[in-house]
Amino acid sequence: NAGVTQTPKFRVLKTGQSMTLLCAQDMNHEYMYWYRQDPGMGLRLIHYSVGEGTTAKGEVPDGYNVSRLKKQNFLLGLESAAPSQTSVYFCASSPGKGNQPQHFGDGTRLSIL
Amino acid sequence: GDSVTQMEGPVTLSEEAFLTINCTYTATGYPSLFWYVQYPGEGLQLLLKATKADDKGSNKGFEATYRKETTSFHLEKGSVQVSDSAVYFCALSGWAGGTSYGKLTFGQGTILTVHP
Repeated sequence: NAGVTQTPKFRVLKTGQSMTLLCAQDMNHEYMYWYRQDPGMGLRLIHYSVGEGTTAKGEVPDGYNVSRLKKQNFLLGLESAAPSQTSVYFCASSPGKGNQPQHFGDGTRLSIL
Repeated sequence: GDSVTQMEGPVTLSEEAFLTINCTYTATGYPSLFWYVQYPGEGLQLLLKATKADDKGSNKGFEATYRKETTSFHLEKGSVQVSDSAVYFCALSGWAGGTSYGKLTFGQGTILTVHP
């Protein structure tokens, strides 16, 4: 009963380093999303995907790239990390076809020094 | 664009007190409305939802009614417990003729602490 799994759970990077966050879902959901959570700002959408091989920009896409090569996986990449990208990142998925509720992972806490 | 405004927090209550967390929204068309809850160290979980005007969502003693005339979706619970301590997020998903793809717009979150 895994649902949405995010790896890693914690990571510390130095400015300029790159990394990839992995999101995997086992519910056969069509739609997947990446959000960042910052104090006092709720969650903001970074990128999303409405199916395998598709991606689209959300509200705050700059500095991030994504890929969805397989339906169950949605990767978030930081090519050159900046301190402003220190945040908690959440992945979510939904079945699609209307406004079905999203299912969230437990988050990745990322610190950029 | 779409936006959600929640009441300022944090909110601190004693056990068995009545809870109200205000949420108002701005959106075009006919959005769906949600309340999510986040317990410490965890991701967000759906608490309740409403998809059209006058719908009432309810779960675990929490309720919220979709009020289109006041563009509100206030969360209420008659008697809170210590275990309700968490962060609560109001969110909307716009429909926009079917092209919203379920994207959520969140309020800033309200921290609730319940003391014994």
